[in-house]
Amino acid sequence: AQSVTQLGSHVSVSEGALVLLRCNYSSSVPPYLFWYVQYPNQGLQLLLKYTSAATLVKGINGFEAEFKKSETSFHLTKPSAHMSDAAEYFCALMDSNYQLIWGAGTKLIIKP
Amino acid sequence: KAGVTQTPRYLIKTRGQQVTLSCSPISGHRSVSWYQQTPGQGLQFLFEYFSETQRNKGNFPGRFSGRQFSNSRSEMNVSTLELGDSALYLCASSSPGAGPTDTQYFGPGTRLTVL
Repeated sequence: AQSVTQLGSHVSVSEGALVLLRCNYSSSVPPYLFWYVQYPNQGLQLLLKYTSAATLVKGINGFEAEFKKSETSFHLTKPSAHMSDAAEYFCALMDSNYQLIWGAGTKLIIKP
Repeated sequence: KAGVTQTPRYLIKTRGQQVTLSCSPISGHRSVSWYQQTPGQGLQFLFEYFSETQRNKGNFPGRFSGRQFSNSRSEMNVSTLELGDSALYLCASSSPGAGPTDTQYFGPGTRLTVL
């Protein structure tokens, strides 16, 4: 069965520091992977997606993620955190039935 | 281009009632998916419609149903509401190809509270 695991329900970083949000997946077929962000009381916004074209994927707002098949990981990074990055981040896997299988989410807290 | 819209944004119902939520996809999108988001269970897939046909369904009881109209607008209905149905219900639409790599664009959600 396919699944997504996000390590850390909360991650706290200082403004200007590196952001690293971890996502591991389990899939018996080549995965399609996504990162979404959700601001309070809002819907989900796509940050980036991996569709096998390139292992390093660049997204919006300075975020990027690297697909590592050997580690079954798709971690999200940003070199320098900004206060406006405070939100909840979700990693998701698209299955063969066009369903998004979601991780539990990681709340990113930015310390001034 | 207008985004995905959902109405109403907030809803309060009592146990046993039924509710209908509406979703208007981005113009030209034919696939609409519905998700339930709760603090305890996280995001869970409800169902997906493509060109008026339910293409896929998640693991929810039959009280949860949906439909899609010829203009791609979709509705979901929950009958005999239970307290546990309190959640944020999110609708997402995707582009005409509606393949597995197509991006799903989400609406702001409908916050349902069951008392």
